[in-house]
Amino acid sequence: DAKTTQPNSMESNEEEPVHLPCNHSTISGTDYIHWYRQLPSQGPEYVIHGLTSNVNNRMASLAIAEDRKSSTLILHRATLRDAAVYYCILRGSQGNLIFGKGTKLSVKP
Amino acid sequence: DTAVSQTPKYLVTQMGNDKSIKCEQNLGHDTMYWYKQDSKKFLKIMFSYNNKELIINETVPNRFSPKSPDKAHLNLHINSLELGDSAVYFCASRSTGASTDTQYFGPGTRLTVL
Repeated sequence: DAKTTQPNSMESNEEEPVHLPCNHSTISGTDYIHWYRQLPSQGPEYVIHGLTSNVNNRMASLAIAEDRKSSTLILHRATLRDAAVYYCILRGSQGNLIFGKGTKLSVKP
Repeated sequence: DTAVSQTPKYLVTQMGNDKSIKCEQNLGHDTMYWYKQDSKKFLKIMFSYNNKELIINETVPNRFSPKSPDKAHLNLHINSLELGDSAVYFCASRSTGASTDTQYFGPGTRLTVL
């Protein structure tokens, strides 16, 4: 199963954009890149996913490198409620999510 | 309105006991999962069911037995509980479609074995 690498932690100021990087150098041609986040004491929640093109939704944007070996999750204006662990994920062969350690995002007021 | 629900939310029990955790989803999904999050916050797949059939069974002790009475429910029964079973257990269901591939997680069950 392909793996991802993310920084352990990042800090941001409220109202500023946040760029969360992820490396997935062993990604296969058909692997989608998924992002989930886990707020304190809650289950993981879906953020966004994409294959090749950049993707936008109401929560975030996903920028995927041309060679697909890395991607960046962009939160356009961080709020205190965005403080969470963000996971960059490639799925297993049966659709299960293969979680790494994720990036713990702290947001300062 | 809860999409994926789990009961109980907290479970404290003695070593050697048998316990069950229930999971229900009202989203109409065919695939459901159990994940375990250990004390180091590492999340790992345990089981996956598709339309009541087991399709993933990771290296989990035989003391753990999933049961899916119908595709909306995936319960987890644990025999002879051990200290190392203490963790948060998450149930999830998966929707797939032309442009979607999303897992919806329950709130988790925090199991503490004393």
